[in-house]
Parts: sequence; structure tokens; C-alpha cells
Amino acid sequence: QVQLVQSGAEVKKPGASVKVSCKASGYTFTSYGINWVRQAPGQGLEWMGRISATNGNTNYGQKVQGRVTMTTDTSTNTAYMELRSLRSDDTAVYYCARDGAPYTSAWPPEDWGQGTLVTVSS
Amino acid sequence: QSVLTQPPSASGTPGQRVTISCSRSVSNIGTDYVYWYQQLPGTAPKLLIYRINQRPSGVPDRFSGSKSGTSASLAISGLRSEDEADYYCAAWDDSLSGWVFGGGTKLTVL
Repeated sequence: QVQLVQSGAEVKKPGASVKVSCKASGYTFTSYGINWVRQAPGQGLEWMGRISATNGNTNYGQKVQGRVTMTTDTSTNTAYMELRSLRSDDTAVYYCARDGAPYTSAWPPEDWGQGTLVTVSS
Repeated sequence: QSVLTQPPSASGTPGQRVTISCSRSVSNIGTDYVYWYQQLPGTAPKLLIYRINQRPSGVPDRFSGSKSGTSASLAISGLRSEDEADYYCAAWDDSLSGWVFGGGTKLTVL
């Protein structure tokens, strides 16, 4: 079965960077894209961006554009999301989520990781 | 403010039918294909409805989706206590080349 296992919770100071990992199993990693979605405490879902594990192409959301980098390591079936210049309003649970269909970004995320809490506090 | 607008809350009693709406505010959001997620407390979202009215395997037929004009709706019939959750609509944004979510609707089963 498809599994996405994310790295553990992080506490960071404002201005620092965080890198969250998402290890995939149970499917052909390079056939699907990985989306990153975050959820601030008590708030809704915000799509941050997507990386194609097929060719590494990325699309980033406007709110994090310029501060975020999404990468994949096909040798370990792991996706990464790095967010720089952290601010207090970046405090959120960060989810990785696999596209619902292969080789297309037009199918919404269907399989999700367990989430990683990133807390930004001085 | 999300380009997909949902009511912040909805409620119903066990056995009732409840509907949650999702309307778009910009033309580049396609409500031709609207998706619905259910998020139980403390868990990751789960895809509930895809392409307006299709259910992934395992989703009860108590859940249904529909579309009318620039709005989409999620209906839950035979409401159960375990349906108490947050519900989000989602759609593809052509200009963003990415996904947008509604602000979410908190469903309370009274």
C-alpha cells in the first residue's frame, strides 16, 4: 500500500530554514508528483507547491515563492521541502501528498503523509 | 481570502441531510472539476469526492457531490456522529498551475 512517512517535528527560530522529508513506498516513485500542503494551527489548507518525481519540474504557490525549494531523491524515494527565512506565520503542520494519478498534475492529492509540525518561535 | 468560498460552519442532527457549498470568485478556477476532502480532527485530509460527484473506493454513498453554475456542493445524508469533521473543497487554478482550497467548513453533529 502507498505510504508517505514524514520527518519529525521541528522548532526553528525566525530567519532560519527548515527541511522536511517525505519517504515514499508502495508505488513507483518516479511516476507521480508530490504536493506539499500546510495547515496553520486552527486554519485551513494551503497548497505550497508540487514537484514532479518524473522530471523534477516544480510549481510553487505565490505565498512561498522565492523561499521554498522542493526536491526529490529518486535513489531513496524521498521528497524534500525546504523553507527559508522562516517567520512566525510559517508555524504549521506540513503535509506531503501524492498526486492521485500518475504522470499528471491535474489529479488532486490522494495519499497523504502524517504531517510534520514546524514551529517558528524566538 | 480563498478564491473558493465555503461557509465556515454547518450542523445537523443524526440521520439528517446536510449540504456544504463551494463557490468560486475568479474565472480561472474550474468548477467543472471540484474535489472534496474530509479532515477528521488530528488527521490528514482524505479525498472524499473527485470530479464533482465521483467517490473513491471505500467512501460511503451517503456522501455525494454536485455542481450548479459556478458553485459546487457536498451533500451528506444519514448524518452520523463520525461525520463530524472539517470539509474542504479544492480545484485546479490554471493561472497558478496549482491547487486551491476553500477555507473549510466545520461540520458539527448535534
